[in-house]
Order: sequence, then structure tokens, then C-alpha cells
Amino acid sequence: DTGVSQDPRHKITKRGQNVTFRCDPISEHNRLYWYRQTLGQGPEFLTYFQNEAQLEKSRLLSDRFSAERPKGSFSTLEIQRTEQGDSAMYLCASSATGINSPLHFGNGTRLTVT
Amino acid sequence: SQQGEEDPQALSIQEGENATMNCSYKTSINNLQWYRQNSGRGLVHLILIRSNEREKHSGRLRVTLDTSKKSSSLLITASRAADTASYFCAPGSTGANSKLTFGKGITLSVRP
Repeated sequence: DTGVSQDPRHKITKRGQNVTFRCDPISEHNRLYWYRQTLGQGPEFLTYFQNEAQLEKSRLLSDRFSAERPKGSFSTLEIQRTEQGDSAMYLCASSATGINSPLHFGNGTRLTVT
Repeated sequence: SQQGEEDPQALSIQEGENATMNCSYKTSINNLQWYRQNSGRGLVHLILIRSNEREKHSGRLRVTLDTSKKSSSLLITASRAADTASYFCAPGSTGANSKLTFGKGITLSVRP
């Protein structure tokens, strides 16, 4: 169990640029989640996958955000035309299938939009 | 899904003291989970208590669940400076595709 890994750990980008983050879940986990967290707040749900199927996407997520999980393995989260309000920690988590299985989180990608 | 509401928002104690943190939720749950987050890191799962359980222990952690009051508490005994972190509860709703959502959490500071 090598844990959930996220890349990069930090990303600084200029407003209007596109960014892509990668998450590698625990290999035997079917479910993969993306959360966003700003300072002083709890993680906010963005989207989740079961295998390669994206089962739910938060209504708060604008069309500039897209996530994929090809072949049900790693996942990418892309933000197009970044805005300063996108600055946050983006957390990925994975879990086994099963009602409310415990989540295993990566250490996140901190995005700063200047 | 539903998020828990943690209380207090912040807690400061001396090393060696016990820390009690509370969580309330609104609708029926399948289980309730507690997580810890150290600064700049991801969340770490601490303990899961099922809806048919009333109390659960793990090392220095003790979790209780009162489904009639829709509340849970997390007790950390003999706290250490390393327990300084944010703590979140996550009620697990019924439904195979439900997801966990998180409140603002509790900031625990343990003074050496």
C-alpha cells in the first residue's frame, strides 16, 4: 500500500492559464474522489468516480473544471482559464467500494493563481 | 449526503489533558467517521463507528454515537503536542452511492 499520490504538490499559474493535476489512487480501490479545500474550511466535494465512470459532479463545479479517470486507474483534474478564486488545495482520495468506506487522501496539490 | 457540524470550532488544551470534540448531524446515517488533518497535508481516517454501535475505542481515541440525538463525540485522552491538527467528522448517509462531505472542522491546539 503506497498510498494516494498527487502531482504536482504545488502549482503557481497565471490567471487564464490551464492547469492539470494528477492523482494515483491505491491500486485496489475502485472509487476516486476530488475535493477542494480553502484556508479554514473543510474539504468541499467536487466529483467522484467508480472505476472509470464519473458518478457525480458537484453543482458548484463550473464548466471550466473537468475530471477523467481513463481505464479506472489514475485520474486527472483539469481547470481551464483559471481564476484567482480557483486558488485552493485540491485533494484526491480513494476508497474501496462499499457504503461509506473510509477515504484515503493524498497530500494534495496547492494551486495559486496570480 | 450530509455534512456534520463540529463543535467547538477551536480548542486549546495543555499536553496531558483530554480533548473532547463533538459532531451533530441531521438525518439517518449508516456510519460516522472521524478524520484528522495536519497542516498542509491530506486528511487521515481515524475511526469509523457504525449506526448500531454506541462506543468504539482505538488507542487513545474513544468515539461515541448517540443516534437518538444525532450526535457523536471524539475523545482524545492524554493529549500530546503531536495531536495538534484539525479534526473533521463525516456522517455516512445510507445509499450505495453516497459520498462523504465535511464541515469546517475543529482546530485542536495542544500546548507542550
